[in-house]
Amino acid sequence: AQSVTQLGSHVSVSEGALVLLRCNYSSSVPPYLFWYVQYPNQGLQLLLKYTSAATLVKGINGFEAEFKKSETSFHLTKPSAHMSDAAEYFCAVTPWNQGGKLIFGQGTELSVKP
Amino acid sequence: EAGVTQSPTHLIKTRGQQATLRCSPISGHTSVYWYQQALGLGLQFLLWYDEGEERNRGNFPPRFSGRQFPNYSSELNVNALELEDSALYLCASIPRGIVEAFFGQGTRLTVV
Repeated sequence: AQSVTQLGSHVSVSEGALVLLRCNYSSSVPPYLFWYVQYPNQGLQLLLKYTSAATLVKGINGFEAEFKKSETSFHLTKPSAHMSDAAEYFCAVTPWNQGGKLIFGQGTELSVKP
Repeated sequence: EAGVTQSPTHLIKTRGQQATLRCSPISGHTSVYWYQQALGLGLQFLLWYDEGEERNRGNFPPRFSGRQFPNYSSELNVNALELEDSALYLCASIPRGIVEAFFGQGTRLTVV
């Protein structure tokens, strides 16, 4: 069965610092990969997605992620953190032939210090 | 364009009761997915409906059930509520041929 692992349940950065949230997936076949953000008491908002096109994917709010098949990774980065980036981030994979079913990682809570 | 809407936003039930949660997908989206986000358990896939049929279900007991109506809206029913069912229930819809899921704001179910 496919799985997603997010390293670090909590990451804290200073405003203006680099944001790096790690995600590894288990799959013998490159799946579709997603990063979602969740603000308190809200649903999930799509940040970006990888669907076998370009390996470097740019998303909203200045975030980007790079698909590395050799490392089975899809890490999320942002060059300069803003206070408004504080939220919980979820990496997810859609296995082949299961429609749009999402398998989520455990989530990483990002804190941004002034 | 209206997004995915869920109702109610909050629901408080007593253990043993039944809860009904509703979801209206984005116009034109035919697939509806339900997820449970319980404290400490992360986001778990519950059910997938497409064209009125249940296509897949996650590792949940049969007291979690649902249906999809001809207009593609969906209901999630949870029978014989247990305290552990307290969670945020998220609905997502996906258009045909696309894998990007659009999420609603969720229903916060509290079982007391």
